[in-house]
Amino acid sequence: DTEVTQTPKHLVMGMTNKKSLKCEQHMGHRAMYWYKQKAKKPPELMFVYSYEKLSINESVPSRFSPECPNSSLLNLHLHALQPEDSALYLCASSQELAGVETQYFGPGTRLLVL
Amino acid sequence: DQQVKQNSPSLSVQEGRISILNCDYTNSMFDYFLWYKKYPAEGPTFLISISSIKDKNEDGRFTVFLNKSAKHLSLHIVPSQPGDSAVYFCAAIQGAQKLVFGQGTRLTINP
Repeated sequence: DTEVTQTPKHLVMGMTNKKSLKCEQHMGHRAMYWYKQKAKKPPELMFVYSYEKLSINESVPSRFSPECPNSSLLNLHLHALQPEDSALYLCASSQELAGVETQYFGPGTRLLVL
Repeated sequence: DQQVKQNSPSLSVQEGRISILNCDYTNSMFDYFLWYKKYPAEGPTFLISISSIKDKNEDGRFTVFLNKSAKHLSLHIVPSQPGDSAVYFCAAIQGAQKLVFGQGTRLTINP
């Protein structure tokens, strides 16, 4: 079982709203990730949590705030976003498989900022 | 600076034939390479990986070849099936956790 779940599937928000994206995995994976994907582009890494601690922040603007409440959950809090932040937000978790830290992705949340 | 490149944005193959997707990279420090498949409105699905110390890895219809001297890898799918139509991303691991993706190749399998 390599299932990563994400809620909501779709989200529309105004530039003054505060919202949160949620991600969950019950595979015991030690690392969890947030990616952003714009249309016809590859996913771009935003944040990495290892053992519930933030290990990588790819210089993401502070209007995106990640949170890892426990080893199974990962949140992305959104505040004062811009229309250019509209994208597919992907969560992933990883386990070591044959020596490589293999990442498994959720279905994504499609975000539209108006 | 694009470290992982997929120079073909699209590829069309007849059902039953071989599909060959190509990927080039510039960073010789990459340890592992992975291929992901992505359908519209879904997250990428892991297909197969290869360590930089190997030159081939096979899993069912999927085989990945790595040529380190040329900094080139390829994914072979044989035989190709209609359900293989998707966007395929090549990715490399930088450090333990950072995945660097190529731009993707849209594969269309024609009946």
